[in-house]
Amino acid sequence: QQQVKQSPQSLIVQKGGIPIINCAYENTAFDYFPWYQQFPGKGPALLIAIRPDVSEKKEGRFTISFNKSAKQFSLHIMDSQPGDSATYFCAASSFSPLVFGKGTRLSVIA
Amino acid sequence: NAGVTQTPKFQVLKTGQSMTLQCAQDMNHNSMYWYRQDPGMGLRLIYYSASEGTTDKGEVPNGYNVSRLNKREFSLRLESAAPSQTSVYFCASSDGTGGIEAFFGQGTRLTVV
Repeated sequence: QQQVKQSPQSLIVQKGGIPIINCAYENTAFDYFPWYQQFPGKGPALLIAIRPDVSEKKEGRFTISFNKSAKQFSLHIMDSQPGDSATYFCAASSFSPLVFGKGTRLSVIA
Repeated sequence: NAGVTQTPKFQVLKTGQSMTLQCAQDMNHNSMYWYRQDPGMGLRLIYYSASEGTTDKGEVPNGYNVSRLNKREFSLRLESAAPSQTSVYFCASSDGTGGIEAFFGQGTRLTVV
């Protein structure tokens, strides 16, 4: 049973575009929703995270939008750059290890 | 700053062989994890250790064993490797279990032929 569903699987945008990656979760006990970024040959690294007491969080060009009633959250990347090309994973947890989505491979073309 | 260190980085095994993947962290974290990453499947938890002296199964534990050797080290053992265990394995650590940032190693790419 997949607890965190992520879409799309892959995404191609032009430089300066705003890619949006969506995730949906099932377990209402989840209270921590991070996004991880992974470059080829590297381990995932935390990009930004949100807790359900806020509906939006911004860090630089990266924004998480959170909809508790819909059990959904999304990552927006403003003014995307070729250096943002990577695989992005959403995740969720409570008092438990992180459960990850299946990942989105983002390509930003110049 | 080393963070989470995994060895080896690459390994090729024959079906039926055994091996141990090593992981060490220098951040004094209590919790450690082993995930596997397969194309289109994301990161799936194999085993984790919430604290020194404890281990628990994750989503895909079959065919694996783990040992929390001390607070720094958490090893993953394949007793009899199978082609289905071909994957990239990541070790991670965090200061607690859940609700907190996890730091990942660089991964071990394992091929079972």
